[in-house]
Amino acid sequence: DAGVTQSPTHLIKTRGQQVTLRCSPKSGHDTVSWYQQALGQGPQFIFQYYEEEERQRGNFPDRFSGHQFPNYSSELNVNALLLGDSALYLCASSLAVNEQFFGPGTRLTVL
Amino acid sequence: GENVEQHPSTLSVQEGDSAVIKCTYSDSASNYFPWYKQELGKRPQLIIDIRSNVGEKKDQRIAVTLNKTAKHFSLHITETQPEDSAVYFCAARHDQTGANNLFFGTGTRLTVIP
Repeated sequence: DAGVTQSPTHLIKTRGQQVTLRCSPKSGHDTVSWYQQALGQGPQFIFQYYEEEERQRGNFPDRFSGHQFPNYSSELNVNALLLGDSALYLCASSLAVNEQFFGPGTRLTVL
Repeated sequence: GENVEQHPSTLSVQEGDSAVIKCTYSDSASNYFPWYKQELGKRPQLIIDIRSNVGEKKDQRIAVTLNKTAKHFSLHITETQPEDSAVYFCAARHDQTGANNLFFGTGTRLTVIP
């Protein structure tokens, strides 16, 4: 079992560009959550997907959108990138509302 | 929404001493409180958790206490070792139907001095 995997590991973009981050959940998990972790801060909840629907959303603008596929994998899309979007983006998977397991994250740098 | 505050932001202890990290939460409906350890460049990993129907939980050198009335919970690490050095995050969650997102504190950087 590979656990939660994310790609890419690192990414550099410029302001105004768009980015797509990917997450594969742990085997047997059906729920995927995305978090943004700015340097020196705790993870902040972006949104959660279950059964291909956005189930809950944190306090993030509409520039942040996502998708969940039938195989439970998920994508996070960010449009019109700002310098402040630079962060570690963590994906976490769980089976329904049980313990969340985190992936290694994608480090996004916006120049 | 839930607001979790965590103190201290940094903590240095001598090897073998105890370390205590404290968190407070705002939403009285929160009923699940996990603690995560994040080593440099790695993913957060769950080290212990407690539910609101329990006041204390212990796992070897790690223990967590919860005071629902005061809305605060604490992590206690005894006999600290250099490998305990990491950033620790507390979190809170309300196990309502349909969501299990976590609200995190800002983290405590623990350094254990050999």
